[in-house]
Amino acid sequence: GENVEQHPSTLSVQEGDSAVIKCTYSDSASNYFPWYKQELGKRPQLIIDIRSNVGEKKDQRIAVTLNKTAKHFSLHITETQPEDSAVYFCAPLSNFNKFYFGSGTKLNVKP
Amino acid sequence: NAGVMQNPRHLVRRRGQEARLRCSPMKGHSHVYWYRQLPEEGLKFMVYLQKENIIDESGMPKERFSAEFPKEGPSILRIQQVVRGDSAAYFCASSPSDRVSGNTIYFGEGSWLTVV
Repeated sequence: GENVEQHPSTLSVQEGDSAVIKCTYSDSASNYFPWYKQELGKRPQLIIDIRSNVGEKKDQRIAVTLNKTAKHFSLHITETQPEDSAVYFCAPLSNFNKFYFGSGTKLNVKP
Repeated sequence: NAGVMQNPRHLVRRRGQEARLRCSPMKGHSHVYWYRQLPEEGLKFMVYLQKENIIDESGMPKERFSAEFPKEGPSILRIQQVVRGDSAAYFCASSPSDRVSGNTIYFGEGSWLTVV
């Protein structure tokens, strides 16, 4: 199956700073790359996604960049706020229509 | 448009009992995924189904676990003879088709199983 790795596993930033989380994957046929946010005790929620024909996508303070050649994509959060504190998962869609989740990045935004 | 509905939200079972978790996909969605999440860990793929058909069950433990998605009614994840290690959150997700436009999956609220 797809090998998905996320880095870092934990990230602590000061409110207002930027945060970047990187996801590497192994399946070169993957063509859809979502990021999910999960707050404690709640379900994962899609926050942004990108398809393989696009290199970057932005939605207000959140952006995703994709490097298909190197097989990685990254989540960028600017002007972080305490409510951004959560666990973030990448989940590239494999060629077999399965979403393999990374192990997660715990983001802590300090006020 | 109601989201993915899971029940029960919380379930307590004694070792050796059976647990049944139910999932109704979003309206218009014909594909269901089940994931398991242990505390402080990521989501592990278990099984991928469409109505009356298991597409991929490569993440399911070989024994005690089974899943179905009948023509009528919700998808069911069944765990027989539960053990303490089965304690986890079980998330169901649904998608509208089997692909290739890259349709995303939407998660239910999860079912938290505790085995005592």
